[in-house]
Amino acid sequence: GENVEQHPSTLSVQEGDSAVIKCTYSDSASNYFPWYKQELGKRPQLIIDIRSNVGEKKDQRIAVTLNKTAKHFSLHITETQPEDSAVYFCAARDPDVTGANNLFFGTGTRLTVIP
Amino acid sequence: GAVVSQHPSRVICKSGTSVKIECRSLDFQATTMFWYRQFPKQSLMLMATSNEGSKATYEQGVEKDKFLINHASLTLSTLTVTSAHPEDSSFYICSARAVGGRNQPQHFGDGTRLSIL
Repeated sequence: GENVEQHPSTLSVQEGDSAVIKCTYSDSASNYFPWYKQELGKRPQLIIDIRSNVGEKKDQRIAVTLNKTAKHFSLHITETQPEDSAVYFCAARDPDVTGANNLFFGTGTRLTVIP
Repeated sequence: GAVVSQHPSRVICKSGTSVKIECRSLDFQATTMFWYRQFPKQSLMLMATSNEGSKATYEQGVEKDKFLINHASLTLSTLTVTSAHPEDSSFYICSARAVGGRNQPQHFGDGTRLSIL
């Protein structure tokens, strides 16, 4: 099955600075990579995703890059704001996995934006 | 669109009580629902996959007799924590995947914080 690793586990940045979170995956068959933001005690919310036929995707201050050869993908948040503080999870979807579940989560990164 | 409702949002009960958590897809039909458990400062841990009209598939290490799952319709799955003990205290989150195959996105419920005294 797929194994997703995520780094760093915690990240503190000054307001206005950029934040980068990195994930690696093990199975080259994985073809879809969503990122979720989870505020304390709330549901994970999809903030951006990328498919394997694209190398980069951007949505305002958020961007995701994918390197299929190296099997890693990253989340970039620019001009960070205090409301960006949350836990971020990456995930990889592996279409070759048998069974109903084919979405595998990273271990999460707790981002703190210091005003 | 794609709203998943999970109830209750919080439960506090005595040890030995059984607790039922509901997960409903409000505006779409979900062939498959997933139940996750999340400990503080940790990632989502998949407990089981719930398939409409059939038995749930449990992940390794998850007791099926402890965590009963029923997926009776395309819009409702329930998780019952039987004879709950303090170690069962956790944040439980469901997600639902729309009819249409394994490439459909998952939509999460708001989670249930379970506290066993």
